[in-house]
Amino acid sequence: SQTIHQWPATLVQPVGSPLSLECTVEGTSNPNLYWYRQAAGRGLQLLFYSVGIGQISSEVPQNLSASRPQDRQFILSSKKLLLSDSGFYLCAWSVISDTQYFGPGTRLTVL
Amino acid sequence: EDQVTQSPEALRLQEGESSSLNCSYTVSGLRGLFWYRQDPGKGPEFLFTLYSAGEEKEKERLKATLTKKESFLHITAPKPEDSATYLCAWVPSYNTDKLIFGTGTRLQVFP
Repeated sequence: SQTIHQWPATLVQPVGSPLSLECTVEGTSNPNLYWYRQAAGRGLQLLFYSVGIGQISSEVPQNLSASRPQDRQFILSSKKLLLSDSGFYLCAWSVISDTQYFGPGTRLTVL
Repeated sequence: EDQVTQSPEALRLQEGESSSLNCSYTVSGLRGLFWYRQDPGKGPEFLFTLYSAGEEKEKERLKATLTKKESFLHITAPKPEDSATYLCAWVPSYNTDKLIFGTGTRLQVFP
């Protein structure tokens, strides 16, 4: 069966510090991978998605970036965090254009 | 602009009191409509996918229906463990690689 992991589970970072969040998927090959952010009281906002290694589509202009160095690994990064980057970050996977399955999420607080 | 609107924002029910959640959309081409359940501090859990008007799907006390302009999630005789935020999302036909989410309905069921 397929499993999706995210780490860390929680993170508190100062403004201006770098960020690296990691997501890995087990039990499937060549999945589509997604990064979402969920701010308090708001819906899930798609940030990036990837249909293959090295292929990244950005949905929202921001100071975040994403990379996919391996088939089942998706990384969300920032060089300098802003207060507005605080939120709940979710990674998801799907096979072709079917149901998306979400990971447990990372709670990021920028102070 | 394509939008997904969920109502009500919050719903309080007595255990056993049936009700419905609404997801309405103004989209230019619907590829699929998804329902998810999200518990506090966790990633969304997939419930249903609906693809065409008139389609219905059931799971335990939940039934999802779809018309040309909206979807309903019917909850029959809810229990306290059904308390969660319920999210709907749609896949536009012009980009089948992404989900667009509503802001959710927060359901509380009291014993």
